[in-house]
Order: sequence, then C-alpha cells, then structure tokens
Amino acid sequence: DIQMTQSPSSLSASVGDRVTITCRASQSISTYLNWYQQKPGKAPKLLIYAASSLQGGVPSRFSGSGSGTDFTLTISSLQPEDFATYYCQQSYSSPRTFGQGTKVEIK
Amino acid sequence: QVQLQESGPGLVKPSQTLSLTCTVSGGSISTGTYYWSWIRQPAGKGLEWIGRIYNSGSTNYNPSLKSRVTISVDTSKNQFSLNLSSVTAADTAVYYCAREAYYDTSGHVDYWGQGTRVTVSS
Repeated sequence: DIQMTQSPSSLSASVGDRVTITCRASQSISTYLNWYQQKPGKAPKLLIYAASSLQGGVPSRFSGSGSGTDFTLTISSLQPEDFATYYCQQSYSSPRTFGQGTKVEIK
Repeated sequence: QVQLQESGPGLVKPSQTLSLTCTVSGGSISTGTYYWSWIRQPAGKGLEWIGRIYNSGSTNYNPSLKSRVTISVDTSKNQFSLNLSSVTAADTAVYYCAREAYYDTSGHVDYWGQGTRVTVSS
C-alpha cells in the first residue's frame, strides 16, 4: 500500500492568512493526488484533483501543486468557512489511501 | 445532480455481518467511467477506503479487510451494497458510499453520501 503522510497534523491560523499543507507519498504517484475538505458531521468535499485541478464550484483561493511524492495544498487567504480538516488521497493504485488529516483551527 | 444515500442498521452485534446499501439517484450506476465505493471513518479518526465496484461487477478491496468484505451492485435498482462479516468493535464507524470518477489522469471521489453511523455492540 502507498502511505500518505500529511504535515502538520494541525495548525492555528487567522482569517486572511496564507496556509500551506503538505502531503508526501511513500512512492511516486505522478499527479494522482486529490485534496478533500471535511467539516464536522459532514462528508468530505473534493477540492483539488490530479494534484492541481480545481473542482468546479471551489473558490480560487484553493490551489494544489506537486508531482511524484511531494504535494502542497495552499489556501491563499483563509476565510471563516475554511476552518475544517483537510485530507490528501492518492489514486495511483488500489487500495486508495488517505493522509491522516490536517485540522485547520482558528487562532 | 447525482445523490447517494446509505441505508442499513445502525447497530450490529459482534461477530455478525454489517450490511449497507447505497441508492444512487440523478444518474445511472451503469453508465460512465465510475467506480462505486465504500469509505469509513471511526469517530475522531481519518478516512479508510474499504473497496469499490465497477458497473461490470469487477471489484477491488482493501487488503486489510479483503477476507471479510463483499461489495455488490444491482443495476436494476441503481444500488450497490457492502457486506462486512465477523464485525468487532473496531468496525464501529461512519460509513460513506461514494462515486469515484476515473479518467486517464485522475481518480477522485466527486460525490459522497451523507454517511451512516454503524455501531458494533452487543
């Protein structure tokens, strides 16, 4: 199985901050990397697919980059509705695997 | 707009079989390059991929659960199902059904059910 490791596990930030979350794969996965946002009690929501493609309806302040083993999710200007947990997921091979999550909290 | 809805018992006894069904509306389960998946999340923890099925019936399972998991599809009802046998308390989680869209350059879950909480307890 491909292991996905996110960092940090949690972070505190203020509205308007630029936030960066990283995800590392245990082997090269090309750009088969997705990012999801999950709020308490809700199903995850797709933000970014194929490492850098923005899902329809997702605000442009979200962006993704990377290839191979190292990937980044960036929120350019954190908004109140962005406080949530973020997960990366590889879709290079089965079984699909997720990172452990990064919780973004209010500072 | 595609919608997915899980249904099934919220309480299952240890050693029994957990059975859930996902009903898909707003689109046919038989068409398109989609995998129909099950993903679970224990309370306060991360997401675990259980497995998926294509409309042809071909399946992929998480090796950690493979001996206990069966996913099936009923195209006539636009449903797919999860059976997880010999459950223990470790199987207590919110279970999500989901659609994975698969293309040459990506596979990503674009639609999720709302999730159903299943507790394993006597």
